[in-house]
Amino acid sequence: QSVLTQPPSASGTPGQRVTISCSGSRSNIGSNTVNWYQQLPGTAPKLLIYNNYQRPSGVPDRFSGSKSGTSASLAISGLQSEDEADYYCAAWDDSLNGHVAFGGGTKVTVL
Amino acid sequence: QVQLVQSGAEVKKPGASVKVSCKASGYTFNSYFIHWVRQAPGQGLEWMGIINPSGGSTVYAQKFQGRVTMTRDTSTSTVYMELSSLRSEDTAVYYCARPGIAVAGTTQFNYWGQGTLVTVSS
Repeated sequence: QSVLTQPPSASGTPGQRVTISCSGSRSNIGSNTVNWYQQLPGTAPKLLIYNNYQRPSGVPDRFSGSKSGTSASLAISGLQSEDEADYYCAAWDDSLNGHVAFGGGTKVTVL
Repeated sequence: QVQLVQSGAEVKKPGASVKVSCKASGYTFNSYFIHWVRQAPGQGLEWMGIINPSGGSTVYAQKFQGRVTMTRDTSTSTVYMELSSLRSEDTAVYYCARPGIAVAGTTQFNYWGQGTLVTVSS
């Protein structure tokens, strides 16, 4: 029962474009920026997108983020085998004295 | 370079407590908040709370209030997370994470510890 809603899975063939949605509310995505994380098996999450659409140094431009109202999305264009991982969205939530809200995660499979 | 190095894996019995450490280096310790996030086997990320190393103030997730205590030792640049009354559902990897910006209300975690596996089993 995550505060932010993501589809549990997504898939595509190499070279395809995959999009992951993240739905929230006025107190989180509607009021604050969204960040995205990539987690490979057995490793700590890695910041993939910050401030809704910005990429940290070293993140390929195949990854892009956007936000509109109380929803956000992550797009992976030109899907590659190494993109097979779990992806999480996150946003600060102003309710309950403030807390971090995570999405439940989306497993991306490269077919 | 910024590093967060966590203590090693722990095995605890139900009802016991566990204290996980997170030693920071490569930056001014007091300048950035530290968050704790856990991940149960096969599950998603779950936020536990935040500590301000400058002063030690904390905010805990509602779910963990009364069971979690976050502290810091400025002399060693180390943050601690103690969870009490452990149950099997607390079996998880526990991460410390540091934002890339010096504000409390952010989820921009540029830096993560390597994770500490805590296993609760009788």
